[in-house]
Amino acid sequence: SQQGEEDPQALSIQEGENATMNCSYKTSINNLQWYRQNSGRGLVHLILIRSNEREKHSGRLRVTLDTSKKSSSLLITASRAADTASYFCATAGSSNTGKLIFGQGTTLQVKP
Amino acid sequence: DADVTQTPRNRITKTGKRIMLECSQTKGHDRMYWYRQDPGLGLRLIYYSFDVKDINKGEISDGYSVSRQAQAKFSLSLESAIPNQTALYFCATSDSHTWDTQYFGPGTRLTVL
Repeated sequence: SQQGEEDPQALSIQEGENATMNCSYKTSINNLQWYRQNSGRGLVHLILIRSNEREKHSGRLRVTLDTSKKSSSLLITASRAADTASYFCATAGSSNTGKLIFGQGTTLQVKP
Repeated sequence: DADVTQTPRNRITKTGKRIMLECSQTKGHDRMYWYRQDPGLGLRLIYYSFDVKDINKGEISDGYSVSRQAQAKFSLSLESAIPNQTALYFCATSDSHTWDTQYFGPGTRLTVL
């Protein structure tokens, strides 16, 4: 079964606006990662946040993690048409088995 | 050149045929994975391998088998393909020393008629 549930499933915004995607998970984690997938292509790693971290930044990306609520959010600021893609969260379990469990993804459309 | 390559990129086959999907990597990573992606279901893990002699079943291994021929090569086989194995298949790699960030190949689109 899927570990992560993402919300919303689809999001459509105008260029320049911010986009926020949320991810909830069920079990204890070692880290949580966000990936981007352009249509029909492989996933690309965006950012990793460890279970003892609360917030992390990378360029226009901001990720937060609330382990008490078992949730994470990905914020993309000043979105661009090139940000149009699907975004997936993935969790690595606390036992660090090396496996990731992926959520179902949020499809983001950024209109020019 | 891409670090993780998959062949073929597209394949159409018939029910009952044996199919092999191949994955090669030049990243020097010890861990390799096979996933399938279906619309609305995210990625599901089929098999994973932490080194040449360590192969493990994932969430949905029934109907699939794998072979880790070398550290750089990991193949996925469908012994007798069926239509519900129509999906997008991804290979991924990771280095056990770097918090398991995974690097994905471009995918193979498989259609079973």
